[in-house]
Amino acid sequence: DAKTTQPNSMESNEEEPVHLPCNHSTISGTDYIHWYRQLPSQGPEYVIHGLTSNVNNRMASLAIAEDRKSSTLILHRATLRDAAVYYCILRTPSYNTDKLIFGTGTRLQVFP
Amino acid sequence: DTAVSQTPKYLVTQMGNDKSIKCEQNLGHDTMYWYKQDSKKFLKIMFSYNNKELIINETVPNRFSPKSPDKAHLNLHINSLELGDSAVYFCASSSPEVPSNEQFFGPGTRLTVL
Repeated sequence: DAKTTQPNSMESNEEEPVHLPCNHSTISGTDYIHWYRQLPSQGPEYVIHGLTSNVNNRMASLAIAEDRKSSTLILHRATLRDAAVYYCILRTPSYNTDKLIFGTGTRLQVFP
Repeated sequence: DTAVSQTPKYLVTQMGNDKSIKCEQNLGHDTMYWYKQDSKKFLKIMFSYNNKELIINETVPNRFSPKSPDKAHLNLHINSLELGDSAVYFCASSSPEVPSNEQFFGPGTRLTVL
């Protein structure tokens, strides 16, 4: 299973942008880059995903390096509610054997 | 309406007992999963079912037996509970028809074995 490397923790102030990095140097050509987050005492929730191009949705943006060996999740304006553990996951497409391999993630603290 | 629900939310029991955790999804998904999050917060997949058929079994002890009575339900039965089984168990579901192929997680069941 392909692995990802993320910083253990990061801090931000409210209303500021946050850039969460992820390294995945062993990514294969068909792997998608997925980001999930886990708020305190809740199950993980999907944030965003991409393959090669940068992606935007209502929650965040995903910037993918040209060689695909790293990516960055961007929260444009952090709020207190964004405090969570963020997981960068490589997903190999499979019709019915999909599984998410979670790493240790980045714990994001947001200060008022 | 809750998309993926689990019962109970908390479960405290003695070593050696047998217990079950139930999961239901109302999203119409074909695939369901069980994940275990241990005390160090490490989240790991245990099983996945597709249309009531076991697809993934990640070398989980035989004491753990998932059962899928229908596509919307995936229950987890645990025999002879051990201290190391204490964890939070998350159920999830997904469908390849969802463009993101994201997995939707339940709120978790915190199991404490004394």
